[in-house]
Amino acid sequence: EPEVTQTPSHQVTQMGQEVILRCVPISNHLYFYWYRQILGQKVEFLVSFYNNEISEKSEIFDDQFSVERPDGSNFTLKIRSTKLEDSAMYFCASKIMTGGYYEQYFGPGTRLTVT
Amino acid sequence: AQSVSQHNHHVILSEAASLELGCNYSYGGTVNLFWYVQYPGQHLQLLLKYFSGDPLVKGIKGFEAEFIKSKFSFNLRKPSVQWSDTAEYFCAVNARDNQGGKLIFGQGTELSVKP
Repeated sequence: EPEVTQTPSHQVTQMGQEVILRCVPISNHLYFYWYRQILGQKVEFLVSFYNNEISEKSEIFDDQFSVERPDGSNFTLKIRSTKLEDSAMYFCASKIMTGGYYEQYFGPGTRLTVT
Repeated sequence: AQSVSQHNHHVILSEAASLELGCNYSYGGTVNLFWYVQYPGQHLQLLLKYFSGDPLVKGIKGFEAEFIKSKFSFNLRKPSVQWSDTAEYFCAVNARDNQGGKLIFGQGTELSVKP
């Protein structure tokens, strides 16, 4: 069964450094998402991406964050200057079609630790 | 704004006990409803979903959930849990008229099943 994959599984970085989290969505999916979960808190929506542009973003997704689909397979989340409060598990998800009727498939997550 | 509330943070049961996890949502429009499960060390997997039709939906591994529109609830049930059901369970909704279909999650319920 096709899966969403994410790399790395764990990233440790120093405050102020840039990080790029990578995701490979399921190949025929058209909609892509990033979510994050701070330890002990809810899974929170960050951004959705469709047709090579952001379709929706949350208040969390400020100018420090950006997303990109640099080629036909990868979907990346970049944090320009990490803060301690960016430490969280980051999940990528993808969906085959637009609309709310379709299931999102999640990757295993990248644990980001900012020191 | 949409929100999802899960009543139980941590539930401990013995094998063969019955399970019911509460989920309530807040949203003025029509929603799709989901339960996801995260087994230790694994990614979020869809247990079941409700879009329309019969409000009692059956999912994988013997789980079911009932949508009660008047109560804004979507509680998850299983008649007899197994040790392998130990996991974290997340209720989620999306607004049907939101093309992007971003998911709003509850805070999760950790289920521990004692053998």
